[in-house]
Amino acid sequence: QVQLQESGPGLVKSSETLSLTCTVSGGSVNNYYWSWIRQPPGKGLEWIGYIYYTGSTTYNPSLRGRVTMSVDRSKNQFSLKLTSVTAADTATYYCARHGGRYSTSPFDPWGQGTLVTISS
Amino acid sequence: EIVLTQSPGTLSLSPGERATLSCRASQSISINYLAWYQQKPGRAPRLLIYGASSRATGIPDRFSGSGSGTDFTLTISRLEPEDFAVYYCQQYGGSTRITFGPGTKVDIK
Repeated sequence: QVQLQESGPGLVKSSETLSLTCTVSGGSVNNYYWSWIRQPPGKGLEWIGYIYYTGSTTYNPSLRGRVTMSVDRSKNQFSLKLTSVTAADTATYYCARHGGRYSTSPFDPWGQGTLVTISS
Repeated sequence: EIVLTQSPGTLSLSPGERATLSCRASQSISINYLAWYQQKPGRAPRLLIYGASSRATGIPDRFSGSGSGTDFTLTISRLEPEDFAVYYCQQYGGSTRITFGPGTKVDIK
């Protein structure tokens, strides 16, 4: 079945750019929407945005201007960049597939998540 | 933006008991684009229910979802030890802004 794996630095300095990649195995990025979600320690879930396999994106307005997502179909990966990070961006970052072939689909499956800590 | 409110914040129950979790939306959710997820400590969320009432693949039938419009419910008919976790509702119909509720923790009484 489809599996997702996040990768990237676990520690990023304040004001710098957070970069993460999600690698898809057991399936293809083609024909699906893919989301990033984050969860600060001990808190709830926040949707960051999604990307279609064609490269079309939709971002959470609360983060717009700092977020960029991209997809690399040849590597079966998609990526997240978040600029000008602060301590408030410390969180576990998850990637997930939209379960159906529409943006209006729930998230299934999810990656295991990766903790990114913003240091001063 | 559709804001989701979940109640109660914490539900303390014993194994075998029935759990009823509520999710209320600030405006009507179109075509019941409402999902429920279960999250255990240190784990990613797992999809339980989508479309307000459809169980995801492999989810036991003790989990059921109901509701429409602005009021939705997740019911666990008889709690098993592995069901003690945090449950989140999510609306995914507002595709320009997907939102989650703050979560309900179901813990052992």
